[in-house]
Amino acid sequence: EVQLVESGGDLVQPGGSLRLSCAASGFTFSTYPMHWVRQAPGKGLEYVSAISTDGGSTFYANSVKGRFIISRDNSKNTLYLQMGSLRAEDMAVYYCARAYRYSYDYWGQGTLVIVSS
Amino acid sequence: QSALTQPPSASGSPGQSVTISCTGTSSDVGGYNYVSWYQQHPGKAPKLMIYEVSKRPSGVPDRFSGSKSGNTASLTVSGLQAEDEADYYCSSYAGSNNLRVFGTGTKVTVL
Repeated sequence: EVQLVESGGDLVQPGGSLRLSCAASGFTFSTYPMHWVRQAPGKGLEYVSAISTDGGSTFYANSVKGRFIISRDNSKNTLYLQMGSLRAEDMAVYYCARAYRYSYDYWGQGTLVIVSS
Repeated sequence: QSALTQPPSASGSPGQSVTISCTGTSSDVGGYNYVSWYQQHPGKAPKLMIYEVSKRPSGVPDRFSGSKSGNTASLTVSGLQAEDEADYYCSSYAGSNNLRVFGTGTKVTVL
């Protein structure tokens, strides 16, 4: 059974940093591109970042470019999102999602990031 | 990259059909056959319902169907059931720079 389990969400002050993790199981992690998608409270879904199977290519939404870094450790079946210079508008539930044929076929349960002083 | 445009709400009685539109541009919806649709119940993660415009993943009822014409994609839910009441989001590939764009979301109510 495919499972994606996010962790690392927390309350952080504006300007602060946070690292999210996504532990994958039930599939060959190294063969799938992975994405982060977020959802602000009461709002819609927003693509955040993506990474290729080997981690050699990374992509970012304009809203997080230069502040967030996506990475993966295929030996640990884990996806990461290093978040810096956090702003109030970054407050959201962050989901990791497996990319499949230009869609997302599996999602984690999400981890909540609160940005507030 | 602007979000794709969806109607805020749609509704139908049990057994009826409802169709949700998703309008983008030639840089996303109109440029690629890579539109997907997601169902999200309150407090839950999204669930893939349609990929590549009209393909259904295993386990998704055939009451759900997708199509596309020009810059607008559509999701039709036939034979509405109470459990179909949820938020629905479309998404499209948007090229090598932007990768993905989501729709604004549509709340489907089963009357």
